[in-house]
This record gives sequence, structure tokens and C-alpha cells, in this order.
Amino acid sequence: GIQVEQSPPDLILQEGANSTLRCNFSDSVNNLQWFHQNPWGQLINLFYIPSGTKQNGRLSATTVATERYSLLYISSSQTTDSGVYFCAVDRGGSNFGNEKLTFGTGTRLTIIP
Amino acid sequence: DVKVTQSSRYLVKRTGEKVFLECVQDMDHENMFWYRQDPGLGLRLIYFSYDVKMKEKGDIPEGYSVSREKKERFSLILESASTNQTSMYLCASSLRGRKPQHFGDGTRLSIL
Repeated sequence: GIQVEQSPPDLILQEGANSTLRCNFSDSVNNLQWFHQNPWGQLINLFYIPSGTKQNGRLSATTVATERYSLLYISSSQTTDSGVYFCAVDRGGSNFGNEKLTFGTGTRLTIIP
Repeated sequence: DVKVTQSSRYLVKRTGEKVFLECVQDMDHENMFWYRQDPGLGLRLIYFSYDVKMKEKGDIPEGYSVSREKKERFSLILESASTNQTSMYLCASSLRGRKPQHFGDGTRLSIL
């Protein structure tokens, strides 16, 4: 099956710093999503980005599907950005409606005040 | 906004019990999913349903079954709970056609 690798596994930053999280995947994908899991375990959609670049406030993401990677940028970090960031890809499949996400193991981000 | 609701936030059960985890979505999504999350392993797909009464096995279906009698509801069943099924369980839903998946708040299940 497809492999999804995220780096770095852990990141500790001072409030106000910028960061870049990376997601590499081993095969062609149809879809890619970035999630933020907060300290209470809730998984929040950040971006649905199979290709191209999107921005939402202080966050932006870029996926280069031909080179099999995606980047998540966080600018001017705040303590509420702390948590685990997951990348997940859709492997596709031959069955109608067969849409299954494969998750990376995440990047744990800690923002220090 | 999409709302995916899981019936319990925390649940404690005993080994050998039959356990039901319920998930309801309010956006008429065709697809529904059950994942479990364990430290160091990320999220892994247990089962997937793309229509009422339709299901597909995910990566780790052993020890689990599912039921989808109505479009909005997807149930995960642990037929005979074991301690290695202690985990965080997350339900998700999406529209057909590789649209983004939306997650519930999760159920932390402990099997004693």
C-alpha cells in the first residue's frame, strides 16, 4: 500500500515563529488532506489540497503531486496552534465510491509562549 | 457546517462484552468511515461504507463488524471486546467523489 511520511516528527517553537511541515507519499494520489488534532483529540480539517496552493489566514499549503509531496506552512505561530498535524492521502481504487485515506504518523507541534 | 456526532466521548467496557459505537452525520453524505488511533501508529481504517447496507474492509477489520441500515448512521461493533481494542475511535463522513472527510470528536474506549 501507499506510504505516507511526515517530517519532522516533533517541532518546538517560540510563539510568533514560522514553521514548515512536510508530507511525502510513495505513489500517485487523488486527494490529500491536512488535519490538526488539538489536545482534546478533535481532528479538524485544515486543507483539502490534491494539488496547487491554498491559504487560510496564517496557514497555507502546497501540494506538488508530480513530485509526491505536500507542505503546510504556519506563520506567526500561536499557542493554540499546538497539537498534532496529520497529512492523509486518498489511495484511490477500482471500486465505485472507494475512497480511503491513508494517514501519516503526524508532526507534533508545541508552541511555547 | 458538517456535523458528525459520535454517541460517547468516553466509554469503559469489560473483556468479552459486545460493544456498539454509534456515529451520525447530518449532511446526507454517502461515505462513512471508522478509524482507530493508537500512539505511534497514526489513524488506521477499520471499515468503510459507501452506501446503505454496503461496506468494505479497511486495513484492520479483524475483531470488528459494522452496520449501516440508514444513510446517516454508521455503527461499529466489537463482537467480543478484548483489551487490545482499547483505543481512540474516530468516525468520518464524506460526499462521494473523493471529497474531503469530516471527523467526529472521537470515542476513547477502554476495555478492562
